Amino acid sequence: ETGVTQTPRHLVMGMTNKKSLKCEQHLGHNAMYWYKQSAKKPLELMFVYNFKEQTENNSVPSRFSPECPNSSHLFLHLHTLQPEDSALYLCASSQARTGGYEQYFGPGTRLTVT
Amino acid sequence: GENVEQHPSTLSVQEGDSAVIKCTYSDSASNYFPWYKQELGKGPQLIIDIRSNVGEKKDQRIAVTLNKTAKHFSLHITETQPEDSAVYFCAASIRGAQKLVFGQGTRLTINP
Repeated sequence: ETGVTQTPRHLVMGMTNKKSLKCEQHLGHNAMYWYKQSAKKPLELMFVYNFKEQTENNSVPSRFSPECPNSSHLFLHLHTLQPEDSALYLCASSQARTGGYEQYFGPGTRLTVT
Repeated sequence: GENVEQHPSTLSVQEGDSAVIKCTYSDSASNYFPWYKQELGKGPQLIIDIRSNVGEKKDQRIAVTLNKTAKHFSLHITETQPEDSAVYFCAASIRGAQKLVFGQGTRLTINP
């Protein structure tokens, strides 16, 4: 549970606000991910970072802006969000190697856009 | 595009009975298949995984089977306990194993 931490755990923001979500992994991994989890929908991959470089942007709107300053930290900067962006945002990390990448998730940030 | 279908969406079993959740995937290149358990207010927890070079893997009361020909895999939980109640997600790797595609989830309820 403490391998991947996320702050804040809950966030309420207006559509004109700017806020940031933070993720930190203590597992020595070199890949980090952002996922969106909405009710009645599968987990949606948003971004992938390998060794601090973004390797995947899954057609995410520009109002979501990720930042990965080092292999242990990942941020998701939010601005001018829409109510449909309300969801649980999950961070995950993994150690890249051939044959599979076990991903370990944080507890998530519950975001409500009003 | 690649997708994973998971069934059933809800499952209710008596304590002590077995539970089975099934998933099918579309990408024949998938080679890694994890299962996650998500309890209320928590993130998904990796509980077991299987790679394409084996057909079955077991860890105490949990087992996963894989049929690559049919492109489906299943989670089996035996001797279910109340603490097994949660939402379970299957996933399959695509494009070189780092990217995972998830199923829609199964809400498992264990009735005492």
